Amino acid sequence: AIQLTQSPSSLSASVGDRVTITCRASQGISSALAWYQQKPGKAPKLLIYDASSLESGVPSRFSGSGSGTDFTLTISSLQPEDFATYYCQQFNSYPPLTFGGGTKVEIK
Amino acid sequence: QVQLVESGGGVVQPGGSLRLSCAASGFTFSSYGMHWVRQAPGKGLEWVAFIRYDGSNKYYADSVKGRFTISRDNSKNTLYLQMNSLRAEDTAVYYCAKGLVIPNPYYFDYWGQGTLVTVSS
Repeated sequence: AIQLTQSPSSLSASVGDRVTITCRASQGISSALAWYQQKPGKAPKLLIYDASSLESGVPSRFSGSGSGTDFTLTISSLQPEDFATYYCQQFNSYPPLTFGGGTKVEIK
Repeated sequence: QVQLVESGGGVVQPGGSLRLSCAASGFTFSSYGMHWVRQAPGKGLEWVAFIRYDGSNKYYADSVKGRFTISRDNSKNTLYLQMNSLRAEDTAVYYCAKGLVIPNPYYFDYWGQGTLVTVSS
C-alpha cells in the first residue's frame, strides 16, 4: 500500500501567517491526491482534490500543488477558523485508499 | 442539501457483530459510490470500504477484509456496514462518506456525523 507522510505533524502559527503543509507519497501517485480539514468533534471537509483543484465553496486562500511524490497544501493568510487538523489522501493505487497521519495547526 | 446520517454504533464484546446504517438524502443516492471511513479515538483517518453506485464493485481495507461487508439498498437510500468478528482495534468513530463523481468516486465530498463503535469486554 502507498504510504503518505505528512510534515510537520503539528505547527503553531498566527492569524495572517502563510502556512505550508507537505505530504510525501512512498511512490508516485500522479496528481491523485486530496486534502481535508477536520475540526475537533467534526467530520472532515474536502478542500482540494486532484492535487490542486479547489472544492466548491472553499476559500481561495487554500491552494494545493505537486505531483508524483511531493505535494503541498498552502494557506496564504491563516484565519481563526483555519485552526484544525489537515489530512492528505491518495487514490492512485487502490485499494486501499490511504490517508496521511495529519498535521495539527494550532494558534501561536 | 446533502445529508448522511449514521446509526447503529454502540458497545460490543470482542468477537461480536454490529451493523451500521447510513441514511442518505439530498442527492440521487443511486448515482454515487459510497465509502466507510473510521477514526480511532485521538488517531487519524482510516479508509474502510467502498461500494460502487450500483453495488457491482466493493473494495476493503486489508484490516477488515473477510470480517466486514459493505452493502447498499438504493431503494431505501441507505448504506450499510456489517461488522463481524469485532476486535478491540476496531474501536472508532465510523463515518459514511459520499464519493465525488467527477473526477472520480475516490475522493469524499460529504461526510456524516459519525457513529461510535466501542469493542470492549
